[in-house]
Amino acid sequence: DTAVSQTPKYLVTQMGNDKSIKCEQNLGHDTMYWYKQDSKKFLKIMFSYNNKELIINETVPNRFSPKSPDKAHLNLHINSLELGDSAVYFCASSPPGIGETQYFGPGTRLLVL
Amino acid sequence: GENVEQHPSTLSVQEGDSAVIKCTYSDSASNYFPWYKQELGKRPQLIIDIRSNVGEKKDQRIAVTLNKTAKHFSLHITETQPEDSAVYFCAASTTGGFKTIFGAGTRLFVKA
Repeated sequence: DTAVSQTPKYLVTQMGNDKSIKCEQNLGHDTMYWYKQDSKKFLKIMFSYNNKELIINETVPNRFSPKSPDKAHLNLHINSLELGDSAVYFCASSPPGIGETQYFGPGTRLLVL
Repeated sequence: GENVEQHPSTLSVQEGDSAVIKCTYSDSASNYFPWYKQELGKRPQLIIDIRSNVGEKKDQRIAVTLNKTAKHFSLHITETQPEDSAVYFCAASTTGGFKTIFGAGTRLFVKA
């Protein structure tokens, strides 16, 4: 019954590895996002998808590749992980309309060693 | 580019006092201004929002004010309680823009 879910919750890996994070929402929303929250808690948008189409790519390195197989899912694959990728990654979704309230997933805590 | 500035970065108040967090935005097309609360180790969650056609909105102990001319909006928490301790984010977005810009966050400590 969780609205926005992400897996895994924790991810510890070595530099240079490739990893994926999965996100699913059961709210029927059309728009989904990926955010990165660094150690200083700054919350920065990475990608926006609307109806499976990429809308926003906020100058994220192309090592990060999002994929939306359908409106309810938005996955994030990261190649050649670097130390600076360590952060909490939040998936979110929002309904269409005048306001874009973000419904966040629980976050994935990524630590690159 | 679009920017949202938030102040202060840290705020410490005594239980029962009021807390005020202020934000300014740069994009004059912004028309939706939500506030999120993030408790330690948890996800950000919406606590209140305001749209550009409204100057003030209140929900129990929290209120938000918006000055579109000055591009300022503020969060007011009255009668603070220890459970109000968290990081608060202001944000701004534009209808159909598919992009929400967040402020840097304010860490609120409420001392019992």
